[in-house]
Amino acid sequence: QSVLTQPPSVSAAPRQKVTISCSGSSSNIGNNYVSWYQHLPGTAPKLLIYENNKRPSGIPDRFSGSKSGTSATLGITGLQTGDEADYYCGAWDSSRGAGYVFGSGTTVTVL
Amino acid sequence: EVQLVESGGGLVQPGGSLRLSCTASGFTFSSYSMNWVRQAPGKGLEWISYISSGGGNIFYADSVKGRFTISRDNARNSLYLQTNILTDKDTGVYYCAREGGDGWFDPWGQGTLVTVSS
Repeated sequence: QSVLTQPPSVSAAPRQKVTISCSGSSSNIGNNYVSWYQHLPGTAPKLLIYENNKRPSGIPDRFSGSKSGTSATLGITGLQTGDEADYYCGAWDSSRGAGYVFGSGTTVTVL
Repeated sequence: EVQLVESGGGLVQPGGSLRLSCTASGFTFSSYSMNWVRQAPGKGLEWISYISSGGGNIFYADSVKGRFTISRDNARNSLYLQTNILTDKDTGVYYCAREGGDGWFDPWGQGTLVTVSS
């Protein structure tokens, strides 16, 4: 069972917006940076958001991140069929022996 | 181009061992911490190990502690994961990932498949 909780799936029509939540605790999200990854089966995961809300070069501004307390959110606007993938949040966990933790993953479906 | 390429996966019997490798190119490997992450079939991403740039700090997930050993050779731009006493729960795709800063991984390799089965 993942330490960070995400909804199993979200869906929306093309050009619409989706948000993905990531709920944790004070030992991970509450006191550490959150990052977000896009993963298509058979490919390398891709970094979408780092340090809560920063986008690496090459990631369109349709992707955004935010954090409040022990929760974080990924937003995707102008949804495209190419956005269909699994999305994971991640953060270091300061609990003894915990290491880095990923969310349970959310599958985005474009209707 | 910044790139990571894993190798060494394959089919192994329960109780067996494999040594996974990750070869880096396009950046100063010795300046970055590195991680191993895996994905079991039908499951999500699971972080399994971290090593600092110089190799002095190492962490493991509880699920692999005592069985897996992470190491690196900065002269060869290579990261390794020695996996021992493998069980079917260790089956999955193993990725290496560079830690770019405070808690983010970029890039990732394409992964190497480990199948533990008799």
